[in-house]
Amino acid sequence: SQQGEEDPQALSIQEGENATMNCSYKTSINNLQWYRQNSGRGLVHLILIRSNEREKHSGRLRVTLDTSKKSSSLLITASRAADTASYFCATDVGGTSGSRLTFGEGTQLTVNP
Amino acid sequence: NAGVMQNPRHLVRRRGQEARLRCSPMKGHSHVYWYRQLPEEGLKFMVYLQKENIIDESGMPKERFSAEFPKEGPSILRIQQVVRGDSAAYFCASQRYNSPLHFGNGTRLTVT
Repeated sequence: SQQGEEDPQALSIQEGENATMNCSYKTSINNLQWYRQNSGRGLVHLILIRSNEREKHSGRLRVTLDTSKKSSSLLITASRAADTASYFCATDVGGTSGSRLTFGEGTQLTVNP
Repeated sequence: NAGVMQNPRHLVRRRGQEARLRCSPMKGHSHVYWYRQLPEEGLKFMVYLQKENIIDESGMPKERFSAEFPKEGPSILRIQQVVRGDSAAYFCASQRYNSPLHFGNGTRLTVT
């Protein structure tokens, strides 16, 4: 089954609320990354957290990583309608395959104005 | 600095035809990855290339699919004798060594 699995599959919130998405994975990783995909477009890199880090912030984004539970969460604070997109976690196991990433199925976030 | 450029954006092929998807990486990036995305699913790794070398093609079907990244010019993903199951969005990403991936907007292949 998938290395990365996001939860929930879909999330609908009002503008100004916070959105939390979770990701679980199965094997040891070098780092975990979160990407956003707007409909019909490519993926945009949001944030990378290394296996020896527990929390990272970037603007309104906060990512946590718990390697003992093999899980990560992405928190978007004070959401905006423009945050509406699909969000994917991706794990990088490192090694000789460069940054070969294994993606989860994604969380579809809808932020209602 | 232009981003990763993929063309065409949309490609329609009849069963049995060949599909050629092109990807020009960002300037200065020598690593290229191809991923496939089926509707409502995440991206699945296909192949990782550096200039003139295939580093990891473990995600690519053994038959009908091939990829190259020549010394000059774009990376090409080639699908011979396409079947309906090949219909998907194909994304290319490029990277300078050990940095995050930069994705193109994809090529949507429809096989009729």
